[in-house]
Amino acid sequence: AQKITQTQPGMFVQEKEAVTLDCTYDTSDPSYGLFWYKQPSSGEMIFLIYQGSYDQQNATEGRYSLNFQKARKSANLVISASQLGDSAMYFCAMRGRPGGYNKLIFGAGTRLAVHP
Amino acid sequence: ETGVTQTPRHLVMGMTNKKSLKCEQHLGHNAMYWYKQSAKKPLELMFVYNFKEQTENNSVPSRFSPECPNSSHLFLHLHTLQPEDSALYLCASSQESAEETQYFGPGTRLLVL
Repeated sequence: AQKITQTQPGMFVQEKEAVTLDCTYDTSDPSYGLFWYKQPSSGEMIFLIYQGSYDQQNATEGRYSLNFQKARKSANLVISASQLGDSAMYFCAMRGRPGGYNKLIFGAGTRLAVHP
Repeated sequence: ETGVTQTPRHLVMGMTNKKSLKCEQHLGHNAMYWYKQSAKKPLELMFVYNFKEQTENNSVPSRFSPECPNSSHLFLHLHTLQPEDSALYLCASSQESAEETQYFGPGTRLLVL
């Protein structure tokens, strides 16, 4: 069965520093996609970054980068130069078979607090 | 309006009430989803619609009844809910394709008394 594990319930970081949020996954499917979403206290899930299982390069989107280590089945999110507005819940998610390509499976999330 | 919108943003209802949640997407997508987010539990997929057809029902109790009249609108009809149904209900949409990202609305915070 597919599974996403986020082992850090909470993290804190000083403003302007970098932080890494951990995500490991389990799947037997060779084709899958990995996502990170940010959820501020307002509730909306904001898409941050995507990594496909066959992508050769690690994904980057502005201050966000995904440290994809396929052999270890990990997809950690790195946020560089943290800002106060980065304080939120962060969810790692996976899409792939079985269950269909539309189906996203989410981890439990990590709450990030950015301190001034 | 842009993106995915949801109304109402907050809802309080009694166990005997009937209410509906509405979701609308302005992204030209063909797939829409309902998710439930309870306190201290991972986000759970409830329903998936592709081109207005329901393609996934994740063992959701019949007191939740989805409706998708067209690719832009999705409803979740609620009746005789239980207090444990109190949660954040999130709607999402995507292109109906293997590689597309799901984009979420702001959610409806539901409290069942």
